Amino acid sequence: GAVVSQHPSRVICKSGTSVKIECRSLDFQATTMFWYRQFPKQSLMLMATSNEGSKATYEQGVEKDKFLINHASLTLSTLTVTSAHPEDSSFYICSAPDHTEAFFGQGTRLTVV
Amino acid sequence: SQKIEQNSEALNIQEGKTATLTCNYTNYSPAYLQWYRQDPGRGPVFLLLIRENEKEKRKERLKVTFDTTLKQSLFHITASQPADSATYLCALGGNTGFQKLVFGTGTRLLVSP
Repeated sequence: GAVVSQHPSRVICKSGTSVKIECRSLDFQATTMFWYRQFPKQSLMLMATSNEGSKATYEQGVEKDKFLINHASLTLSTLTVTSAHPEDSSFYICSAPDHTEAFFGQGTRLTVV
Repeated sequence: SQKIEQNSEALNIQEGKTATLTCNYTNYSPAYLQWYRQDPGRGPVFLLLIRENEKEKRKERLKVTFDTTLKQSLFHITASQPADSATYLCALGGNTGFQKLVFGTGTRLLVSP
């Protein structure tokens, strides 16, 4: 099946700094990618839809200036958490759909200290 | 508001038995429903998709049913194995774009040898 690679798998950063997470579709082109956030024992919550060559679409309550999304090519989307705070600590997961199936990255565990 | 409910308590069963997980939803008319497996610290992995006009789908030891009248899906794993231990998520899609998914909180399955 298709493969989505997400990097890094874990990152610890200081409060106030920015962190970039990459999501790559390795063997297929993804005009659309989705970014989710998952808190412990909770569901995946969709943050935004990343569209290649255009602006991302953010879900209600998600700050677009804080969570910057760039989808510059058909195989790469990036999520940058700007001015990170401890409450941004979470598990971030990207996914890319291929026909009727969604392929997920391995996830990034972000810890802000 | 849309709500997807999965049993939050872990399901403990013995190896060889059939595991049955439930997904109920309200205020939603999905075009399809998907089941995913998620291991700790990893992204979800797609298992099965069932469309609104399908009653049942099978794949090896997995079986999914979809009752749009009851607004419920049942996910069965027959001849369960310890390796099946994981969290299983249901996801609904189709209302706001074919590949945009709304996830349940998941049910953790523990299969004892």
